This record gives sequence, structure tokens and C-alpha cells, in this order.
Amino acid sequence: NAGVTQTPKFRILKIGQSMTLQCAQDMNHNYMYWYRQDPGMGLKLIYYSVGAGITDKGEVPNGYNVSRSTTEDFPLRLELAAPSQTSVYFCASSYLSNQPQHFGDGTRLSIL
Amino acid sequence: AQKITQTQPGMFVQEKEAVTLDCTYDTSDPSYGLFWYKQPSSGEMIFLIYQGSYDQQNATEGRYSLNFQKARKSANLVISASQLGDSAMYFCAMRDDGAGSYQLTFGKGTKLSVIP
Repeated sequence: NAGVTQTPKFRILKIGQSMTLQCAQDMNHNYMYWYRQDPGMGLKLIYYSVGAGITDKGEVPNGYNVSRSTTEDFPLRLELAAPSQTSVYFCASSYLSNQPQHFGDGTRLSIL
Repeated sequence: AQKITQTQPGMFVQEKEAVTLDCTYDTSDPSYGLFWYKQPSSGEMIFLIYQGSYDQQNATEGRYSLNFQKARKSANLVISASQLGDSAMYFCAMRDDGAGSYQLTFGKGTKLSVIP
């Protein structure tokens, strides 16, 4: 049971570098989401997608980009990494918008 | 304005006892959903229980139940017969269905420690 798979699990970036966080789900879910979790806080939505080819901004989208070319994959792109983007990133998916979201194990990202 | 409030940063409970984790929410939309997630020290987010705003009965899932008081805008999580493995962070979250919003808004969490 793969569910939602995130790679990598850990990454250290230098300021100004770019990288892509990968997220894949094998549950044929329509909805996919990217959240960030800062220390001692709950999760905040970065971007979400309601299906292939459709994405929209969440609460904290600045500094990030997403794409959704297939139902299964929803990568998150950081173009110019900044220390404020040091966080744990979670990808989630759900079949419908009103159903529970299933989360990946997270990617711990540090920007130095 | 904060949409989800969890007023207990930390809680202790004796093993085998019941514990209630508080959650209050704020929305003007009649249609919404309330969720509880568990985050162990390993970091993953585990879905526990869901309550829809139109559900007539309180949700239950095994040892978890949700005490839903709509007029008070509260959605407290009750864990019965606590186990050592219940030690974790617990997050309350709301999906506000107004204006086609799909996001979950999370509270800051409550750290539960189960004492042997």
C-alpha cells in the first residue's frame, strides 16, 4: 500500500538554489495538496490541484510553483531557495474535496 | 482571525484513562467539515476522525470519538482507554466549504503524553 509517496525525505539547500519536491499517489485521487509545517505550528496550504492540468494557490504560495500533468504526480518547485522556506513539506491527496486527506511522510527541507 | 483554536499546548494522561483534547472553530458557512489528525514523533500525519457540519450524530472511530457541539462551535476529540502509543501531537482541522475552498485550516496542535 504505497498511498502518497514523497521524495526526498531530507534535503539541505543553499540560498538561491532550486529544487523540486516530488509527490506521487496511487489511489486515483483527484485532489492533491502541498502544505508546509513550521516548528510548533499546524500545516499551511501552499498549492492545491483538483485534477490534471488544474492548480490553484493556497494560503502561502509565494516562492513556490506547481504543476499537475498527470493524476498521479504533483511536484512542488522552489526556484530561489530562501531561509524562510526551511520547513517540513507535506503532500496530501483525497478523492473528493469533502473527504479526508491522506498525507505522505513529509520532506524535511533546510535552507542554509 | 484564527479559524481553529486548540487551547491546550500540552496534556498528560494516565495510561488506560480517557482524555479530551479541545478544539474550537470559527466559520460563518453552514457547510464545513472537521478533522482530527495525529502526528507521532516520526512525523507522519495520520487521519483519525471526521465530522460533517450536517451530521446528526457524533463521529466515532474505535477509541476515538468527536464531541461535536455545533452551537458552541467546538469539536473536541475524546480518546478512551489511552495507550502509550497515543503519545503524539494532535491537530484539529477544518474544511470550510464556502466559496469553493478546498483547503484544510489547522490548529497549532496539542501534545499528548501518556504516562505509564
